Amino acid sequence: EDKVVQSPLSLVVHEGDTVTLNCSYEVTNFRSLLWYKQEKKAPTFLFMLTSSGIEKKSGRLSSILDKKELFSILNITATQTGDSAVYLCAVENSTSGTYKYIFGTGTRLKVLA
Amino acid sequence: NAGVTQTPKFQVLKTGQSMTLQCAQDMNHNSMYWYRQDPGMGLRLIYYSASEGTTDKGEVPNGYNVSRLNKREFSLRLESAAPSQTSVYFCASSKTRATGELFFGEGSRLTVL
Repeated sequence: EDKVVQSPLSLVVHEGDTVTLNCSYEVTNFRSLLWYKQEKKAPTFLFMLTSSGIEKKSGRLSSILDKKELFSILNITATQTGDSAVYLCAVENSTSGTYKYIFGTGTRLKVLA
Repeated sequence: NAGVTQTPKFQVLKTGQSMTLQCAQDMNHNSMYWYRQDPGMGLRLIYYSASEGTTDKGEVPNGYNVSRLNKREFSLRLESAAPSQTSVYFCASSKTRATGELFFGEGSRLTVL
């Protein structure tokens, strides 16, 4: 059975701290791994990763994938209160020309001023 | 810029009642998805439609039916609602696998009494 596991489940930090969120997976026919940020309502897209060892970066956020060890990390440096959200990891499973995304349970990050 | 539109945003049902959640996207996307989100469970895939005219079961399809009415619209029907179907439902769409980005609707909060 396909599985995506995120850790920690929740995290409380102070502004300026650096955090690392983890996502491990067991998925047949892996195609890609995606990170999303969910605040009040709908998740919003952060990164898509397909190749091992290539870091994706956007401002203070960065992410990398290790396809050998089957995990990804999402780093946030110099955290701000606006980073408070649930961070979701999803893995794309592709079978017979169709594809679907399996989500982890998310990591709830709270950044204190 | 409507993106993905879901209706209704809120609904309260009694056990055994039926209802349909509507979803429409105006981005000319091929693939559409229905997810449910429960506390501590992340997003779980109910059904998806890789392209117009096709639908497939996801992780938790029992108790639901879907219709891909045309390229724009993908509806989710609960024939006989149960309290276990109390959840927040998200519709999403994606153009191709190339970007891997899912665009989400704002969510529909359903309570079954």
